[in-house]
Amino acid sequence: KQEVTQIPAALSVPEGENLVLNCSFTDSAIYNLQWFRQDPGKGLTSLLLIQSSQREQTSGRLNASLDKSSGRSTLYIAASQPGDSATYLCAVVELYGNKLVFGAGTILRVKS
Amino acid sequence: DTGVSQDPRHKITKRGQNVTFRCDPISEHNRLYWYRQTLGQGPEFLTYFQNEAQLEKSRLLSDRFSAERPKGSFSTLEIQRTEQGDSAMYLCASSMGQSSYNEQFFGPGTRLTVL
Repeated sequence: KQEVTQIPAALSVPEGENLVLNCSFTDSAIYNLQWFRQDPGKGLTSLLLIQSSQREQTSGRLNASLDKSSGRSTLYIAASQPGDSATYLCAVVELYGNKLVFGAGTILRVKS
Repeated sequence: DTGVSQDPRHKITKRGQNVTFRCDPISEHNRLYWYRQTLGQGPEFLTYFQNEAQLEKSRLLSDRFSAERPKGSFSTLEIQRTEQGDSAMYLCASSMGQSSYNEQFFGPGTRLTVL
């Protein structure tokens, strides 16, 4: 059974810092990996989707990497801003599957 | 707004009552998913439809839960005889695809509180 773990569970940083969120998964047979953002009491916003054949994806200040063989992904946020404060969720789709398997998330707080 | 919509956004009910949620996917998306998210956890898969066919159901979906997607458009999720453990955020997502996985887009969710 696929299990997704996110470290740290919570993170508090001063504005302007670069930071890294970690995601690991137990079964490397995945179709792709997706990072989401969730604001309190809201739905999920897709940030980046990395296909299993790719090593990284970038969008603005966000960069996500994927090392499928070791079962790891990182989300790098450059020059953090208070508006980045949210829960960040990592999810994988297994080969021949359609559902997303999520980690528990990392709660990020960026202090001004 | 052409995103995924869900109704209601909040629902408070007493234990033992039945509740029904609705999800309207992005127009022309043929796949629709339901997830449940409890406090402090990531969403967990409940079920998914391709057009009107329910193709997969999680073991989390007990006999008290039923989902439908008539005519392959909107979907409803009904919970009968609600229990306090059903309190959660119920999220709907949709995607476009046939055989390969395509990006899922999520709605704002329905927050259920069972008293």
